[in-house]
Amino acid sequence: EAQVTQNPRYLITVTGKKLTVTCSQNMNHEYMSWYRQDPGLGLRQIYYSMNVEVTDKGDVPEGYKVSRKEKRNFPLILESPSPNQTSLYFCASSLLGLAGEAETQYFGPGTRLLVL
Amino acid sequence: QQQVKQSPQSLIVQKGGISIINCAYENTAFDYFPWYQQFPGKGPALLIAIRPDVSEKKEGRFTISFNKSAKQFSLHIMDSQPGDSATYFCAAKGMDSSYKLIFGSGTRLLVRP
Repeated sequence: EAQVTQNPRYLITVTGKKLTVTCSQNMNHEYMSWYRQDPGLGLRQIYYSMNVEVTDKGDVPEGYKVSRKEKRNFPLILESPSPNQTSLYFCASSLLGLAGEAETQYFGPGTRLLVL
Repeated sequence: QQQVKQSPQSLIVQKGGISIINCAYENTAFDYFPWYQQFPGKGPALLIAIRPDVSEKKEGRFTISFNKSAKQFSLHIMDSQPGDSATYFCAAKGMDSSYKLIFGSGTRLLVRP
């Protein structure tokens, strides 16, 4: 089944304790992205990647890191989490069109993070 | 810095009624306008999308109406069903950024039986 998977689905941690949220897709998509969803703010992009070893900042990258060592995986790293990073996180992936566009994005099930 | 404004925040409709969600954008360089549907506990999924060269697109009970001069687009759900209860996000993609989607703030729709 074509899908985007995220782990863990739920996570409670404390301020300053490094954590990683994994994301994997089995659709051979070039484009991958991380979003955070907060009430009243919709989905805001954190980081994205056009292909292996190619990553770039989205709208809210502060406090986050990513890596793209393999095409299928795109982990999100919080080196020193803070309470304002409490949120619902989504990973997404997409094929790139002939013009490099990534329009239909496939989302994972989400990771709900609480930072105490 | 939100460039896509979505309304209403929440909407309650009776079964069989029409649900209407509106979005307005500021950037005239957007060239792709998708709507995503999100059920509780799930990630958003593409529902329907339109490009600015057409004024309307219909897929089953779902229709996007697009008004280029007013910089507005809306989602109409005809004959709304309880199974349509979800959060809906409009989005826009810029011509100068082939990979970035700007999302609206979302509308929580509840369809009463």
